[in-house]
Amino acid sequence: GQNIDQPTEMTATEGAIVQINCTYQTSGFNGLFWYQQHAGEAPTFLSYNVLDGLEEKGRFSSFLSRSKGYSYLLLKELQMKDSASYLCAVMDSNYQLIWGAGTKLIIKP
Amino acid sequence: IAGITQAPTSQILAAGRRMTLRCTQDMRHNAMYWYRQDLGLGLRLIHYSNTAGTTGKGEVPDGYSVSRANTDDFPLTLASAVPSQTSVYFCASSDSSNQPQHFGDGTRLSIL
Repeated sequence: GQNIDQPTEMTATEGAIVQINCTYQTSGFNGLFWYQQHAGEAPTFLSYNVLDGLEEKGRFSSFLSRSKGYSYLLLKELQMKDSASYLCAVMDSNYQLIWGAGTKLIIKP
Repeated sequence: IAGITQAPTSQILAAGRRMTLRCTQDMRHNAMYWYRQDLGLGLRLIHYSNTAGTTGKGEVPDGYSVSRANTDDFPLTLASAVPSQTSVYFCASSDSSNQPQHFGDGTRLSIL
């Protein structure tokens, strides 16, 4: 079966750095997406990785290792507004997104 | 403002009733999707449409139907609602099937 694993919840301090991991087992691979979802709101697109390596976009970076079935989202200089759930999703061989349950990130002052 | 509009925002429905959730996008995206999101689970794909006039089944299609008569609209119908269909429903669209998806604000549906 297809499976996406990510931690249920993480806590970090304002101004610090946090890494949210995602491991996956899917039928084929056509890219990995990270989304941010604030409570009660819609998911919003953060990043896309299809090749191995690090993609940097401002305070957020995303890393992919296809051989290990592994990705992480790195958030730097954390702000209170970064408190949200972070969703990892893999596009399978049918170009359908398989979603993890999300990691709830709590930022403390 | 371009985007995806879902209606209603929330609804309480008696079991056995028929309900249609509406979704309209003005970005001229080819692909559209319906997901449900339940606590502790990832988003699960119900139905999708890669282009107007075509639809496909996702991971959890039973009890739901869709149509795609034109590019902009992608309604989701529950023919006879059951309590297990209580969920938050998100509609999404993308320019093509391998592009990032953009989401509507969701419909919170409670079946009693």
